[in-house]
Amino acid sequence: DAKTTQPPSMDCAEGRAANLPCNHSTISGNEYVYWYRQIHSQGPQYIIHGLKNNETNEMASLIITEDRKSSTLILPHATLRDTAVYYCIVSRASGTYKYIFGTGTRLKVLA
Amino acid sequence: KAGVTQTPRYLIKTRGQQVTLSCSPISGHRSVSWYQQTPGQGLQFLFEYFSETQRNKGNFPGRFSGRQFSNSRSEMNVSTLELGDSALYLCASSLSIDSETYYEQYFGPGTRLTVT
Repeated sequence: DAKTTQPPSMDCAEGRAANLPCNHSTISGNEYVYWYRQIHSQGPQYIIHGLKNNETNEMASLIITEDRKSSTLILPHATLRDTAVYYCIVSRASGTYKYIFGTGTRLKVLA
Repeated sequence: KAGVTQTPRYLIKTRGQQVTLSCSPISGHRSVSWYQQTPGQGLQFLFEYFSETQRNKGNFPGRFSGRQFSNSRSEMNVSTLELGDSALYLCASSLSIDSETYYEQYFGPGTRLTVT
């Protein structure tokens, strides 16, 4: 079973910030939070990951709560091209690459 | 730098046949993972290879197998195909200097397999 819980769907107006929440209450100390998105029928695209500090890159920002039990992915200025299914994954910091995907959040950016 | 490539992109097979799918990772990436995506079960982990060794395996029957070559390219094979094997098969690669260092995975476009 997936170790994360996400809302099944969200809408966001174009140009506004999209805030996608994720619960991972059973996260272990050596596990990172990863975010991917999948645009219809394409391979998932890596967005960002973090351990306990907030992270930012050219695509998004990741805010992880102090207790690490939840996180939020922020797309600062959503565009129509950001419409996709967003997956939050918790995975070990080392060793094997066994991602357990949940059902993700279907984000729809509205014009 | 070229991304992860998968061949073929589309495939139609008949129940009972076998199929081999190929994945070429990003240059320099030594870890290759395989996933199956279906509407009913979502994205599920099949197995992962690092330096030609299978490091982890998901909960799939023995009909699903894989291997990795010395150049990190990987293949997965499904024998005795069933209708339920119809899915998008995704390959992902990661820069993994050794078995303990961890980097994000990059996915290919997938192979759409249809079993009739």
